[in-house]
Amino acid sequence: SQQGEEDPQALSIQEGENATMNCSYKTSINNLQWYRQNSGRGLVHLILIRSNEREKHSGRLRVTLDTSKKSSSLLITASRAADTASYFCATDGERGGADGLTFGKGTHLIIQP
Amino acid sequence: DGGITQSPKYLFRKEGQNVTLSCEQNLNHDAMYWYRQDPGQGLRLIYYSQIVNDFQKGDIAEGYSVSREKKESFPLTVTSAQKNPTAFYLCASSIDFGIPNYGYTFGSGTRLTVV
Repeated sequence: SQQGEEDPQALSIQEGENATMNCSYKTSINNLQWYRQNSGRGLVHLILIRSNEREKHSGRLRVTLDTSKKSSSLLITASRAADTASYFCATDGERGGADGLTFGKGTHLIIQP
Repeated sequence: DGGITQSPKYLFRKEGQNVTLSCEQNLNHDAMYWYRQDPGQGLRLIYYSQIVNDFQKGDIAEGYSVSREKKESFPLTVTSAQKNPTAFYLCASSIDFGIPNYGYTFGSGTRLTVV
């Protein structure tokens, strides 16, 4: 099955700085999604970007998608301690995720106060 | 408030036992999913269901079973055939398998440990 791979595996920055995480995937997609997971909790959906979109914003989040390179990036601006979490990208298949999204291994983000 | 409820939060299983993890949603979502997460790893799909009384195997279905008798409920049984069941199990739902416009809603997970 296709799979997203996040990069870097771990990232530690100072509060107030911007955090950038990358995701690469292997096959064509209909959309790509980003999720956040706090330690020991379920995942929370952050943003969805369609294959015909190049950039999308939601609050302090900015997601880009380059289908020619099969890659996406998640930018969190003006980071806060509460942003400390693991971030996962997820890709769908031909059925738009109906047969299950495929998740990467995640980027663990630590925001130092 | 609408959401997904997983229970129990922690579960301990003895060798050779079957255990069932509960997942209930009141979101009126058609599709439901079970994922397994191992430490430092991503999520791997175990089973999914797009409609009542129908479900499909995911990537790692061996040693697991599910049922979908009601739209709201999608329990997962970890059988004794699953040789390495210790993991964090996550249930999710989505509004409609035919609409790629929405993300999944996840439960808070069940941590299963073999003792």
